[in-house]
Amino acid sequence: GESVGLHLPTLSVQEGDNSIINCAYSNSASDYFIWYKQESGKGPQFIIDIRSNMDKRQGQRVTVLLNKTVKHLSLQIAATQPGDSAVYFCAENPNQGGKLIFGQGTELSVKP
Amino acid sequence: ETGVTQTPRHLVMGMTNKKSLKCEQHLGHNAMYWYKQSAKKPLELMFVYSLEERVENNSVPSRFSPECPNSSHLFLHLHTLQPEDSALYLCASSQVGSPSGYTFGSGTRLTVV
Repeated sequence: GESVGLHLPTLSVQEGDNSIINCAYSNSASDYFIWYKQESGKGPQFIIDIRSNMDKRQGQRVTVLLNKTVKHLSLQIAATQPGDSAVYFCAENPNQGGKLIFGQGTELSVKP
Repeated sequence: ETGVTQTPRHLVMGMTNKKSLKCEQHLGHNAMYWYKQSAKKPLELMFVYSLEERVENNSVPSRFSPECPNSSHLFLHLHTLQPEDSALYLCASSQVGSPSGYTFGSGTRLTVV
């Protein structure tokens, strides 16, 4: 069945290091992917998205990589800061305009 | 603010109370969603409204009753809840037909005592 999952439930990194959060998806028809960040006590916030016709997209300190061959999505955060501590969710859109499928989330902790 | 406003931010209610959660979106979206998020668990989709019609009800107990009077407002009416219903309730909106993500509100932290 359809599923979006994350390889690790928690990730701890040192401040200043780069972070990589991974996500696997199973629906090869998905054409749109999103990363959300959820800080404690807040709702998920959009970070970055990527369409299936791309394999890389960069934002401010964040990069999303899409590997359609192995159905893998990753979020890279450069120079991780304490303010990056949060739970990160990936989500896929199996069909254009359709309902999003969310992954379980990875909790990122940044050590000072 | 993200364009989706939820009230109240926090709610404590007894098991015999009746309360309502409110969500308002200012983005011109035509679909709205209620999600439940329990500690250390994934988002659980509860209800979906598209063009003001309920299009999905994911086996949610009848003590939760949604209402969507127009495309900008969504309510979740609560009655005779159980302690296990304590969670963060998130509202989201999106534009159906547009390949974009959801915009979430900040959620209502509900505690049932």
